Amino acid sequence: DVKVTQSSRYLVKRTGEKVFLECVQDMDHENMFWYRQDPGLGLRLIYFSYDVKMKEKGDIPEGYSVSREKKERFSLILESASTNQTSMYLCASKMWTQKYEQYFGPGTRLTVT
Amino acid sequence: RKEVEQDPGPFNVPEGATVAFNCTYSNSASQSFFWYRQDCRKEPKLLMSVYSSGNEDGRFTAQLNRASQYISLLIRDSKLSDSATYLCVVNKNNDMRFGAGTRLTVKP
Repeated sequence: DVKVTQSSRYLVKRTGEKVFLECVQDMDHENMFWYRQDPGLGLRLIYFSYDVKMKEKGDIPEGYSVSREKKERFSLILESASTNQTSMYLCASKMWTQKYEQYFGPGTRLTVT
Repeated sequence: RKEVEQDPGPFNVPEGATVAFNCTYSNSASQSFFWYRQDCRKEPKLLMSVYSSGNEDGRFTAQLNRASQYISLLIRDSKLSDSATYLCVVNKNNDMRFGAGTRLTVKP
């Protein structure tokens, strides 16, 4: 079974703090993704990575950065957390070929106060 | 215009009913298509891939219409356990785009 894990299920941070969200997958997938999910808006892509050290901006990259130093790990960084970044953050991974689906981690619910 | 659009619902149906969801997408070069299911406070999980010829998995049938750029999901003989949000996903070059989801509640 594919396993995607995220470092925290729940996180509370203060405005202005630097926040790190970690995602690890164990299936040697090339592609990894970070989404945020908000009510009524669905999943919105923040960043994705085709492979190690590669990254592409998604729809809403502002206020976020990412790091992929190892194939199995994809980190999302909030440089200076703001209250509008309170959300559910979901990490996903997939094989590089088109026909295969994504596998999701359990999500991190981040609250910025 | 959103890249992937779904009716948000909610759809409230009795057990045993047949229910259908549609999803439209804007990028005609999209390459692969999926339906995911998301339970409350859980991560999305693959329900089924959608193939050009249409495909069936038990009570679930998925269809793709490339000319009109929509995909559909039909659920027959609804069960209480089918209550969830159903997400339409469209893929081009591994850029996966999600619809906002359609909420289904199946009632006794």
